[in-house]
Amino acid sequence: SAVISQKPSRDICQRGTSLTIQCQVDSQVTMMFWYRQQPGQSLTLIATANQGSEATYESGFVIDKFPISRPNLTFSTLTVSNMSPEDSSIYLCSVAVGTGQETQYFGPGTRLLVL
Amino acid sequence: SQQGEEDPQALSIQEGENATMNCSYKTSINNLQWYRQNSGRGLVHLILIRSNEREKHSGRLRVTLDTSKKSSSLLITASRAADTASYFCATDAGAGSYQLTFGKGTKLSVIP
Repeated sequence: SAVISQKPSRDICQRGTSLTIQCQVDSQVTMMFWYRQQPGQSLTLIATANQGSEATYESGFVIDKFPISRPNLTFSTLTVSNMSPEDSSIYLCSVAVGTGQETQYFGPGTRLLVL
Repeated sequence: SQQGEEDPQALSIQEGENATMNCSYKTSINNLQWYRQNSGRGLVHLILIRSNEREKHSGRLRVTLDTSKKSSSLLITASRAADTASYFCATDAGAGSYQLTFGKGTKLSVIP
């Protein structure tokens, strides 16, 4: 298993600003993932962040809007840039662990409200 | 794209009753997982069932998988108020992919 923390836990931001979300894991992991969960909805994968390589973005998500850093095996950041009210969501990071790395462990999430 | 679809969308039961949630998906999978989310917090992994398994148990949880129908069910027996949460199924993309696709979820309310 893995213990994951996220900062901030929640924030209220103004339109046009940017917010960087941090994800810290208590062990070294290769694969980390960033998800968005819009109000009342399921999780949508934003990107996969592997240490030592560029993040891989899913359809509908671009690096200019959601730049990701992965400087080492225990840490990653996701920035939500030039925010609009449509970006109001919960943002979650997760890591894949286990023999086949099939199971994902999630951070507590960052609840973002954009005014 | 492949996606799990849960039903019902919402389920309300009395404490002590059993709760059954269903999930359907569209394409071949290596495994299917169930996760729980309390009040918009992070997800907690509950159980993983592989494509060559038909049933799996973990405590009060029972999961079945029917690959011919591309469906799975999660049964929670003797429910407790603390089981109140949203439950999501998640499928992998097969072929060694580690990415998960989540269904829309079932919101379970257990009334004390």
